[in-house]
Order: sequence, then structure tokens, then C-alpha cells
Amino acid sequence: DAKTTQPNSMESNEEEPVHLPCNHSTISGTDYIHWYRQLPSQGPEYVIHGLTSNVNNRMASLAIAEDRKSSTLILHRATLRDAAVYYCILRDVGSQGNLIFGKGTKLSVKP
Amino acid sequence: KAGVTQTPRYLIKTRGQQVTLSCSPISGHRSVSWYQQTPGQGLQFLFEYFSETQRNKGNFPGRFSGRQFSNSRSEMNVSTLELGDSALYLCASSKDSRATDTQYFGPGTRLTVL
Repeated sequence: DAKTTQPNSMESNEEEPVHLPCNHSTISGTDYIHWYRQLPSQGPEYVIHGLTSNVNNRMASLAIAEDRKSSTLILHRATLRDAAVYYCILRDVGSQGNLIFGKGTKLSVKP
Repeated sequence: KAGVTQTPRYLIKTRGQQVTLSCSPISGHRSVSWYQQTPGQGLQFLFEYFSETQRNKGNFPGRFSGRQFSNSRSEMNVSTLELGDSALYLCASSKDSRATDTQYFGPGTRLTVL
């Protein structure tokens, strides 16, 4: 699976939007972009995934660049509960089920 | 629907002992993956089981092994424990083993090796 690059940490204010970037310049045409997050003292949880088009769900939005070499996870209104480590992961359509985690971005949310 | 459960939640062992951790996946899920999380190495994939067969294995020594039962429940075993095996062990289940399948994680088992 191709590699991703994320900032080590980011800060946000509560109730403001947060844009978490992810670079994946070596992405292939069959790589899905997945985002998971891990809240303190919990296992990771799925956030969103997409292939080419932007995606929205109740938790977040995923904006994918036209060349697919980068993507952005958007939390529309950050809450204190969104403080977590966010992982951007590429999964090739032909790959097995395991996830390859990088270091992720630690998001801090200030009240 | 009940989530992924892992037992025990906490475990303390001494070097040289062996340990067995258990994972019960979400009902209907056939794939179970195991991960090790440490402050230094982050989250690392151990192995994946699908319909009782090991489909994929990470880069861990043979002391780490696992199995899956016909009801999809899975166990992992670590023999001859070393201090470096102290970690959070996470289990994740998914319906199948495809790249688009969401993995649902349990709360983990915190293993401390003294």
C-alpha cells in the first residue's frame, strides 16, 4: 500500500471547522483513501473513506484533490470529543483486510 | 448490535510466561485482525483471520500466533513473553476482507510484562 504524510499535530478551537490534510503523492488508481481516528484510551474508529469523489457522512467530509495526490478530512464543527489521533490510510482494492497505520495527526481541541 | 469485545482488558505477566487474548467479533463478521500498539512503534498489524484461515501476517516473530474458531471468535497467543511485548493489543472485525470494508475495533487488552 502506498504511503501517506500527515502533520504530527494540529490545534483547533471548539465549534470551528477543522481541515486535516493528508499527502499521498504515490497513490495508485485503485487505492481507496480511508480515515480512522483513535480517541484517548480507545481503539481506532472508522471515520470516512472515498476513491475519487468527495464524500460526506454524519461525522465528517472527505475532500479529494483532482489528481488524488492529497486529501483533506473536514470536521465541520469541532467538539472536545473530536480530540484524537487521526489516521489517513490508503488501501488498494486488491489488498487484504489489514490496515497500515502511520503516525497520524494528533488533533487538540481548545474550549 | 454488540461491538467487538476483548478479554481480558488488563493483564500482567512476567518474562518467559505465555498469554492468550480473546476477541469476539461483531455478529456476522468473518474477518478478524489483530494489531499491537506501542508508544514507540505505533499501531502495527499482527495477523488477519478469515473463515478460520490466516490470510495475512505482519512482521512479528513466531512467538506470536493466533487462531479463529468456527463462530469467528479469535484468540492470539504470545509465548515466552519479553519486556518489549508490553503493549495494547487491539482486535478488529469486518464483514469480509475487502479494502472497502470498515474495520471495527475493540477496546483492546493492555498487556504489561514485568
